[in-house]
Amino acid sequence: GAVVSQHPSWVICKSGTSVKIECRSLDFQATTMFWYRQFPKQSLMLMATSNEGSKATYEQGVEKDKFLINHASLTLSTLTVTSAHPEDSSFYICSAPRGPPWEQFFGPGTRLTVL
Amino acid sequence: ILNVEQSPQSLHVQEGDSTNFTCSFPSSNFYALHWYRWETAKSPEALFVMTLNGDEKKKGRISATLNTKEGYSYLYIKGSQPEDSATYLCAFLRGGADGLTFGKGTHLIIQP
Repeated sequence: GAVVSQHPSWVICKSGTSVKIECRSLDFQATTMFWYRQFPKQSLMLMATSNEGSKATYEQGVEKDKFLINHASLTLSTLTVTSAHPEDSSFYICSAPRGPPWEQFFGPGTRLTVL
Repeated sequence: ILNVEQSPQSLHVQEGDSTNFTCSFPSSNFYALHWYRWETAKSPEALFVMTLNGDEKKKGRISATLNTKEGYSYLYIKGSQPEDSATYLCAFLRGGADGLTFGKGTHLIIQP
């Protein structure tokens, strides 16, 4: 199957700092990538759709100025959590679809802890 | 708001036994239903992408069925093995270019 990498796998930062998470499709090109997050005991929730060469689209309730997404190439999307606060502590995971039938290939995720 | 429900939330099964669990999803605006297997510290791994009502797919000891008219899918594991221990996620896809709507998952533990 296709491979998607994600870095870092975990990060601890101080409140007010910014954190960048990278998602790379290693063996296929992805014009679209998705960013999800998961809070404890909750399901994976779609945050935003990253589109190569154009603006990301955000789900309702997700602040676009707080979660900056850049999809600079066909193999790389980045999510920057700006001015992070403890409530942003969560598990963030990206995916890239391929198809049809649009099977999504996931990175291993990033555990963010904001102190 | 799309609602995808999975049951049970967790399941302990004796090695060698067979088991199954359920995913319910909206029956309107259906494009596909995905099943993923997610082991701790690894990436979720796609098991099945199901698109047609009445679909039945199989991969080794694992199989899945799909009923889009009533909005449910079953995942079956035959002769459970310890390596089957994982969280099984189902996810609803409304359109090809859309993100997935996930259930909370079924956490399966196989006891030797």
